Formats: sequence, structure tokens, C-alpha cells
Amino acid sequence: AQSVTQLGSHVSVSEGALVLLRCNYSSSVPPYLFWYVQYPNQGLQLLLKYTSAATLVKGINGFEAEFKKSETSFHLTKPSAHMSDAAEYFCAVMGVNAGNMLTFGGGTRLMVKP
Amino acid sequence: GAGVSQTPSNKVTEKGKYVELRCDPISGHTALYWYRQSLGQGPEFLIYFQGTGAADDSGLPNDRFFAVRPEGSVSTLKIQRTERGDSAVYLCASSLNRGGLGTEAFFGQGTRLTVV
Repeated sequence: AQSVTQLGSHVSVSEGALVLLRCNYSSSVPPYLFWYVQYPNQGLQLLLKYTSAATLVKGINGFEAEFKKSETSFHLTKPSAHMSDAAEYFCAVMGVNAGNMLTFGGGTRLMVKP
Repeated sequence: GAGVSQTPSNKVTEKGKYVELRCDPISGHTALYWYRQSLGQGPEFLIYFQGTGAADDSGLPNDRFFAVRPEGSVSTLKIQRTERGDSAVYLCASSLNRGGLGTEAFFGQGTRLTVV
């Protein structure tokens, strides 16, 4: 079975500050990992994905994530927060033996203060 | 269409009624997924179609929930005898093929179901 844990249901940063959203996964097979963003009243949009190539993955809007197998982590970072980054962020795992569906974490709501 | 389309965007129904939620996937996408997102939680998998067949329905919570995709394109999620606990946002996603190679799934905006 697979699972995803996102530490911190709410994270607040100041505009221009570092963004760090934490994600730890559990998977019995090498995973594919995803970060999605959800803006209010909108669907999920893919930020980035890890599919066993480079461990540091760059995504849209300046976000990146690093896959660390030893720590079973896939934390999302952005060097400088912008007001438009305020949204809900979801980490998800897709295992190759898992029927191809995504298992999501509980989400982290990012708030950006001016 | 340009993206995954879900209708209606909002649905309010009375407890015990039957509802149908529709999903129009991206043209050419053979894989289609339904997820349910309860308030304050991440989406939870319900069912996955590859073409016309339900390849995995292990996430359906009980036999009140059923989904079809008769022509391998549009899908309908059907909920019988709705309960207040069914209130959630129902998300549909589609992708080009089986996601085992990390294929991106594209999500619709969801249908917000409220059972009163």
C-alpha cells in the first residue's frame, strides 16, 4: 500500500521568503511522485513530477522538488514566494503496481503575507 | 475540447435522491479517473477506466456508487439514495494511457455535490 504525508496543513510565509512544503511517501516499489496546485474553485494543476530520472525536478512558476530516497521525501520549494502562489498544494504518489491511480496527501494551504 | 469538462459545476440534492455527474475527458485520452475530495482533505480515488471498461473500481465506497463510460469517452458517475456524507467535490481526470510510466493526469474543475 502507498501513502503520502504532508506535514503542516497550513503554511504561512511572507512575500519574497522561501517556500518549503513537506511531503513524505510510503511505497513498496520505486514511486512516481507528483505535486499539484489547486487554486480556489479550480481543478488540480500539475506543478512537477518525478519519474526516476533526475532527482531534482523543476516545475512551473519557479517551483522545484528533490526526491530523496533515503528520507522517502519529495519536498517542494520555491526561493521567493509571490502573492499569486497562495493556493492549496497536494503531493501524490503513483506506484507502477498500484493500478495507475494517484494517492494524495491531505494537502497544505499556502498563505503569502504582503 | 481544450480540457476536462465536468457538469454540473454545482449540484444540490435532497437526501435519498439519485444524481448523475458527467465528465468529458480530453479528446483522445483513453484513461479516465474519478476522485472524491471531501472538505479539507486530499482527493481519494474512486474508479479508473481504460477505454470502455472499469479497470479498477476498488475505491468506490459502496454499491450506491456506479460509473459508466459506454463509448470510451464521456463518463457518468451515478450515486443512488444519496446521503449527507456523500457531499464532496467529485473530480474527474484523464490521461493519454496507463499511468504506469508517470503519465500526467489532467483534472477537471470538479462537481461540488451537496446533499441536504
